[in-house]
Amino acid sequence: DSGVTQTPKHLITATGQRVTLRCSPRSGDLSVYWYQQSLDQGLQFLIQYYNGEERAKGNILERFSAQQFPDLHSELNLSSLELGDSALYFCASSVDAGTSPSPLHFGNGTRLTVT
Amino acid sequence: AQTVTQSQPEMSVQEAETVTLSCTYDTSESNYYLFWYKQPPSRQMILVIRQEAYKQQNATENRFSVNFQKAAKSFSLKISDSQLGDTAMYFCAFMISNTGKLIFGQGTTLQVKP
Repeated sequence: DSGVTQTPKHLITATGQRVTLRCSPRSGDLSVYWYQQSLDQGLQFLIQYYNGEERAKGNILERFSAQQFPDLHSELNLSSLELGDSALYFCASSVDAGTSPSPLHFGNGTRLTVT
Repeated sequence: AQTVTQSQPEMSVQEAETVTLSCTYDTSESNYYLFWYKQPPSRQMILVIRQEAYKQQNATENRFSVNFQKAAKSFSLKISDSQLGDTAMYFCAFMISNTGKLIFGQGTTLQVKP
């Protein structure tokens, strides 16, 4: 058990809809990362938050947004969903923002299926 | 831009044998970290081993070791005494220090056969 909790485990929704994925980082970790894993794109970095503030952005679509709350949990919002958004979405956390080789600890992911 | 390349989409090995997974990366940065992650069928991402680029000594974790060749930008993973539980997809990943962002390779699916 990595200590990172993601909910829900599975999500099935229709095109055009909006969903929210939730992540609770490991106790003591200040950084939260979101990754998308799809068959054609592999593991893609979406966005990083550190202690409530956006730290880095990757290949995140404008239809997607995220935030990290004062209690350090994070939410990833996906809107106007398309079939191509179907993927496994991982949340990961680490104690810092890369100042040391602290590994990222991954949650079990949320499987999103858009029909 | 940084890239990570795993040139072996699939590999197989007999139980108790040794296998090496290849990884190359491209960067102009001098301070970075390298990782291998394992993703079994349960799809959980599990850290296998990590290497700091400024350390010349190759990292070792039990049956797992790396061959880090900084000049060649190569970071291969050796699994000794392979076990059935090693069956998984293995991802090589790169992180520039002070960023925290991991860049992953496309992965190598490893099948350990009894």
